[in-house]
Amino acid sequence: GDSVTQMQGQVTLSEDDFLFINCTYSTTWYPTLFWYVQYPGEGPQLLLKVTTANNKGISRGFEATYDKGTTSFHLQKASVQESDSAVYYCVLGESYAQGLTFGLGTRVSVFP
Amino acid sequence: GPKVLQIPSHQIIDMGQMVTLNCDPVSNHLYFYWYKQILGQQMEFLVNFYNGKVMEKSKLFKDQFSVERPDGSYFTLKIQPTALEDSAVYFCASSLSGQYAEQFFGPGTRLTVL
Repeated sequence: GDSVTQMQGQVTLSEDDFLFINCTYSTTWYPTLFWYVQYPGEGPQLLLKVTTANNKGISRGFEATYDKGTTSFHLQKASVQESDSAVYYCVLGESYAQGLTFGLGTRVSVFP
Repeated sequence: GPKVLQIPSHQIIDMGQMVTLNCDPVSNHLYFYWYKQILGQQMEFLVNFYNGKVMEKSKLFKDQFSVERPDGSYFTLKIQPTALEDSAVYFCASSLSGQYAEQFFGPGTRLTVL
């Protein structure tokens, strides 16, 4: 079945550090990939979405690139702020289904 | 931005009892979803609902689970009877359209079954 793997459970950074979160996926179809972000006490919210047509998404200073060859979908930001502290989920959407497949999430903590 | 509300935020019940989780989706949205997240595990899709019908459900959506949205009111998830393994945070989501559309999530209801 479809699956998403995020190996980094926790990332701790200082402000202005570079953030990189690794994600790989497995599917037999042509997915659309998302990054959702969850702040304390809230539900996940969409950060960005990338389709097979455009391969890259950019939003709020975050960038994600989709590589079909390596089935990877990494998230990065050049300079993080304390307000970026949250849980980031790599998420898979399929053409044949409306339910999303979530990764385990990466908790990012940014300290001043 | 658009908000999805969930009531209650916490619920504690005894095993075997019935529980109803309530979701107030974004007002003009047409597709509704429930997800389940056990502590420390991945969030998993349970079911989606459109035009008064269940469109898709996962293997986690047991026979004891049911969903409905009577007359455009709350979108509900009912579990009857509950089991210990139903303890989790349940997230409701809604979207304007189906496939690949942005899903808006509520803050979750933490259900504890004793």
